[in-house]
Amino acid sequence: NAGVTQTPKFQVLKTGQSMTLQCAQDMNHEYMSWYRQDPGMGLRLIHYSVGAGITDQGEVPNGYNVSRSTTEDFPLRLLSAAPSQTSVYFCASSYRPENTEAFFGQGTRLTVV
Amino acid sequence: QQPVQSPQAVILREGEDAVINCSSSKALYSVHWYRQKHGEAPVFLMILLKGGEQKGHEKISASFNEKKQQSSLYLTASQLSYSGTYFCGPGTSYGKLTFGQGTILTVHP
Repeated sequence: NAGVTQTPKFQVLKTGQSMTLQCAQDMNHEYMSWYRQDPGMGLRLIHYSVGAGITDQGEVPNGYNVSRSTTEDFPLRLLSAAPSQTSVYFCASSYRPENTEAFFGQGTRLTVV
Repeated sequence: QQPVQSPQAVILREGEDAVINCSSSKALYSVHWYRQKHGEAPVFLMILLKGGEQKGHEKISASFNEKKQQSSLYLTASQLSYSGTYFCGPGTSYGKLTFGQGTILTVHP
């Protein structure tokens, strides 16, 4: 069982470039979400999804776009990368109902220069 | 709104005990605890629900005071493997997690 798989693990972008961070889970989880982690700031929610075709914004959505066409995949798109988006990005998934364990991918370390 | 954790950091020797506290200004109906080792993803430890139900790690205990909106994580007879950053957060809504800023625990031999 692969769990939650994120690709790539590391990425360097130039300011203004766009890219997609991939996230896939094989546990048939309804809920998926994206977080960014910056030093001293814990995890902040970017976007989340409660099922295929349904997404919503989290705490820090600006500059990011998501879609969820299948239960398994939840890609995060950076539209025009900025140095402020340098961070570690985590994807997580969990079952419905509420208050079940969330499983995290191994993270993508993104640097925007 | 993020919950507040204390202490921000703690250093222990193997075998010593520690308590990490988590408090919220908003009503807490459940509390999640996760641990993150350096350079790795957060890993689930436990969920504490109203009424005293707990789900999770067998070797780590925790308490949840619904009236005071507080939770505490008890790490007894610490091991080197306990080192990491501990995060608490209120129960999920649509799978979304909200974490405090974390408590860095370092266990030395």
